[in-house]
Amino acid sequence: KAGVTQTPRYLIKTRGQQVTLSCSPISGHRSVSWYQQTPGQGLQFLFEYFSETQRNKGNFPGRFSGRQFSNSRSEMNVSTLELGDSALYLCASSPGTAKETQYFGPGTRLLVL
Amino acid sequence: QQQVKQSPQSLIVQKGGISIINCAYENTAFDYFPWYQQFPGKGPALLIAIRPDVSEKKEGRFTISFNKSAKQFSLHIMDSQPGDSATYFCAARTTGGGNKLTFGTGTQLKVEL
Repeated sequence: KAGVTQTPRYLIKTRGQQVTLSCSPISGHRSVSWYQQTPGQGLQFLFEYFSETQRNKGNFPGRFSGRQFSNSRSEMNVSTLELGDSALYLCASSPGTAKETQYFGPGTRLLVL
Repeated sequence: QQQVKQSPQSLIVQKGGISIINCAYENTAFDYFPWYQQFPGKGPALLIAIRPDVSEKKEGRFTISFNKSAKQFSLHIMDSQPGDSATYFCAARTTGGGNKLTFGTGTQLKVEL
């Protein structure tokens, strides 16, 4: 099976802009989670989607949002970008029920100037 | 609030030696403890995981030791190899928490020849 794919891999944006990142989970997986990785804060959970519904949400401002489509692909959006949003954004997929292994994609490296 | 504390931040081990990374948690609702390995430019990959009903789990050269009463768990890498040089993250997940993982801050391991 193909792994988790994320597009784009690299992105440069300017403060105030918005950005949309995409994640395609492993075929058959219905749960998609998003994480932000920075040198200072480490890996932090953003949100999880399962069957097109947000199942969990981390402690991030409302500028961070996401959605999941019927084919389980997911997107996350960050509006009004701030310099501190520069990070590696990771997507992880799992079959769907809780307590299962999550498989991470390679991430999207976002740089906000 | 950091719920999973990881140490050391960095570790240098000679080839063939034992690498030991420790984690401590606060939330007693955590019931699943995975370790992830991350190479530069890649997403984290699951290495090994344990549930609190066992005190030790071994897979090849990797062993997790778990102490429920002390709320601590550790990763032991036996016969460490240069190819093991990577960043290691411990994590934890709660029952009913969906797939939300709370990560430790990471340990950068370097195995020298």
